[in-house]
Amino acid sequence: AQSVAQPEDQVNVAEGNPLTVKCTYSVSGNPYLFWYVQYPNRGLQFLLKYITGDNLVKGSYGFEAEFNKSQTSFHLKKPSALVSDSALYFCAVRDGGTYKYIFGTGTRLKVLA
Amino acid sequence: DVKVTQSSRYLVKRTGEKVFLECVQDMDHENMFWYRQDPGLGLRLIYFSYDVKMKEKGDIPEGYSVSREKKERFSLILESASTNQTSMYLCASSAGTAQETQYFGPGTRLLVL
Repeated sequence: AQSVAQPEDQVNVAEGNPLTVKCTYSVSGNPYLFWYVQYPNRGLQFLLKYITGDNLVKGSYGFEAEFNKSQTSFHLKKPSALVSDSALYFCAVRDGGTYKYIFGTGTRLKVLA
Repeated sequence: DVKVTQSSRYLVKRTGEKVFLECVQDMDHENMFWYRQDPGLGLRLIYFSYDVKMKEKGDIPEGYSVSREKKERFSLILESASTNQTSMYLCASSAGTAQETQYFGPGTRLLVL
């Protein structure tokens, strides 16, 4: 069965420091992996995705994510955090054989000034 | 610019009422989805539709039904609202292939009293 785990409910980081939000997944076929961000009282906004090819994927707002097949991970990263990056982040996986996306439980990122 | 709209941002209903949540997308997407979002549980799929008049149950379909009479519109129906259906409801759409991004509406926060 497909699954996604975001092991941290909350991540705190100082402004200007690098940030990492962790995600691990389990799928039976080739994974399609996504990161979304949600600001308060808003829907989810797409950040980036991995389909195939280069393991380092670059996305919106300076975010990037690294696909690691051996560790079944897709961690979200940013070299220098901004206070405005504070939000709820969701990792999602889709198995190519189904229409369904499976979402993690979300990680709240708090960037401290 | 892609757009998914939901009929209401906030709704307050009484137990036992029939509730309609409507979602419209303007991207000619084949797939549409309804999720509910609860703290600590992430997004859980209620129903999805991969074509007009086609629907499939997600992970938590009990107490809900859906309707897709036109490609751009996907409705979620709570036949008899209950207090445990108080939640944030998110609609999303995507194009037909597995690697496609989902686009989300702003969400409807439903309170059932």
